[in-house]
Amino acid sequence: NAGVTQTPKFQVLKTGQSMTLQCAQDMNHEYMSWYRQDPGMGLRLIHYSVGAGITDQGEVPNGYNVSRSTTEDFPLRLLSAAPSQTSVYFCASSPYRGETEKLFFGSGTQLSVL
Amino acid sequence: QQQVKQSPQSLIVQKGGIPIINCAYENTAFDYFPWYQQFPGKGPALLIAIRPDVSEKKEGRFTISFNKSAKQFSLHIMDSQPGDSATYFCAAKVTGNQFYFGTGTSLTVIP
Repeated sequence: NAGVTQTPKFQVLKTGQSMTLQCAQDMNHEYMSWYRQDPGMGLRLIHYSVGAGITDQGEVPNGYNVSRSTTEDFPLRLLSAAPSQTSVYFCASSPYRGETEKLFFGSGTQLSVL
Repeated sequence: QQQVKQSPQSLIVQKGGIPIINCAYENTAFDYFPWYQQFPGKGPALLIAIRPDVSEKKEGRFTISFNKSAKQFSLHIMDSQPGDSATYFCAAKVTGNQFYFGTGTSLTVIP
């Protein structure tokens, strides 16, 4: 099982550039989410989705867009990158309905904005 | 504002010691309290979790102690090993699977 797959693993952007961080899961999970991890800040929720066509904002949504057209994919878009968005980004999924709230994390994307 | 406050930021123990990591929260709507373990270059992975109607949960060498009235919970690692060296995050969940994470504790277990 691949689990949660994130691409790319590393990315360097210039201020103002746009890009999409990809996230795919093969576990048929309804719930998917994006976190950013910064030193001393822990993991902070950016956006999440409880199913195809449904998305909502987390703690730090500004500067990021998401969409959920399929159960498997949940891309994160940076429309105009800023140095403050330099971070490690993690995608996570969970079954949502049922007996578990366990989050399954991808291996992360390290993003630097110059 | 940090919804879940975690301490200490870092911890160094000798092999066999019992590191303790503490977390505190204010929101009484939280209904699930997991701990995640993260190794360098990897995503966090669920270690152990507890619900607020239980005061203690053990899984192998890992124990969560939960104090609902004080709104605090802690992770204890018995007989710690060098392989336990990692960053540990506490978290709390509200309805809808929104998780709030602590700031993390970097644990080093010295052989």
